[in-house]
Amino acid sequence: RKEVEQDPGPFNVPEGATVAFNCTYSNSASQSFFWYRQDCRKEPKLLMSVYSSGNEDGRFTAQLNRASQYISLLIRDSKLSDSATYLCVVNGNNDMRFGAGTRLTVKP
Amino acid sequence: GAVVSQHPSWVICKSGTSVKIECRSLDFQATTMFWYRQFPKQSLMLMATSNEGSKATYEQGVEKDKFLINHASLTLSTLTVTSAHPEDSSFYICSAREGLAVSSYEQYFGPGTRLTVT
Repeated sequence: RKEVEQDPGPFNVPEGATVAFNCTYSNSASQSFFWYRQDCRKEPKLLMSVYSSGNEDGRFTAQLNRASQYISLLIRDSKLSDSATYLCVVNGNNDMRFGAGTRLTVKP
Repeated sequence: GAVVSQHPSWVICKSGTSVKIECRSLDFQATTMFWYRQFPKQSLMLMATSNEGSKATYEQGVEKDKFLINHASLTLSTLTVTSAHPEDSSFYICSAREGLAVSSYEQYFGPGTRLTVT
């Protein structure tokens, strides 16, 4: 089993749509969780950290369920500029472990 | 945010040659640096973790004699791909963290180096 598993995607949605990504992780001792965004041929960039109580940053909402070892990212009112690959990231023993990423394409 | 640079950003080399990639933290001291590899349409795969002044810790399946990592200072780590082959062609990304403890996040990523071996 992979340490971090994500929806395979791709997701193709129209502008203004709401889209949700899911992620599960296998290491129950993990303490830190993140969503990163990666544009084609670029390095990953931190989108937001994920906290136990859930957190929101503008159109983006992240949720964490420790019991189920599950993380989610919700994007509301999607924009063309949201098109990217979204990576679920979970800290390992001393490093970060990445999911395979979910590709999102927002179309006009 | 903190800045991490990589050099070169793109390199093409012939099979059998060696390539060195540099990773620098520009405005902080990186106690720990990580090297990742990413093949097209795949996720980042951790290759090795290096702490300044210590030998790198390689992930299972990564040949330490082929991928030489040197973290000689708090601002510089190098990855040398020795005797490169076409299957080593990939996107190599480094990241740096200021502290040793897992809690001292965040990791800052370099812009990546695209290696093509012909």
